[in-house]
Amino acid sequence: DTGVSQDPRHKITKRGQNVTFRCDPISEHNRLYWYRQTLGQGPEFLTYFQNEAQLEKSRLLSDRFSAERPKGSFSTLEIQRTEQGDSAMYLCASSSIRDRENEQFFGPGTRLTVL
Amino acid sequence: SQKIEQNSEALNIQEGKTATLTCNYTNYSPAYLQWYRQDPGRGPVFLLLIRENEKEKRKERLKVTFDTTLKQSLFHITASQPADSATYLCALGGGGFKTIFGAGTRLFVKA
Repeated sequence: DTGVSQDPRHKITKRGQNVTFRCDPISEHNRLYWYRQTLGQGPEFLTYFQNEAQLEKSRLLSDRFSAERPKGSFSTLEIQRTEQGDSAMYLCASSSIRDRENEQFFGPGTRLTVL
Repeated sequence: SQKIEQNSEALNIQEGKTATLTCNYTNYSPAYLQWYRQDPGRGPVFLLLIRENEKEKRKERLKVTFDTTLKQSLFHITASQPADSATYLCALGGGGFKTIFGAGTRLFVKA
């Protein structure tokens, strides 16, 4: 296993379009997180999955954002009707519930640019 | 609301010196605090975790302290090297499933 992968690495879209990102976590990890990061800021929590269950979602997340993890493996993050303010790096991370340090392994991110 | 503050100004130090980074938080009682390293264009990488009942933790050249009364963590890198140049993020966890990250402090180590 080579770690957490994300696809695509870059996405340029026009305002109003829908976009979908994919995250493949480390295979034995049952915890999966999505974050958004803008320049000069730390990762901002968006949502958390334990296996296929979405257990927490940021109140900052508008209803244009939705995430799924249908079989408890890969996850998708969809943004509908994109706005310029959605431009950011979208990071996915995974961890194991058995890890007492809850070390989160991050993917390389998907950089979204909304024109 | 929960808030984490890290030095927004970059820290410049000479190789071989000890770098000390600060993380302060308010309106939160984390069960643990983590430190991550982030290089430009890449995702954060976990360094270490310290729990609320631990005062200090060490790992190789890294040392972290955690004062729940002051609501502060200090992160030290001893014998710093140019390869330590990066952004260092502190993160709070244990209040539910959410992890809250600070904005990070940029460290530059000059040879």
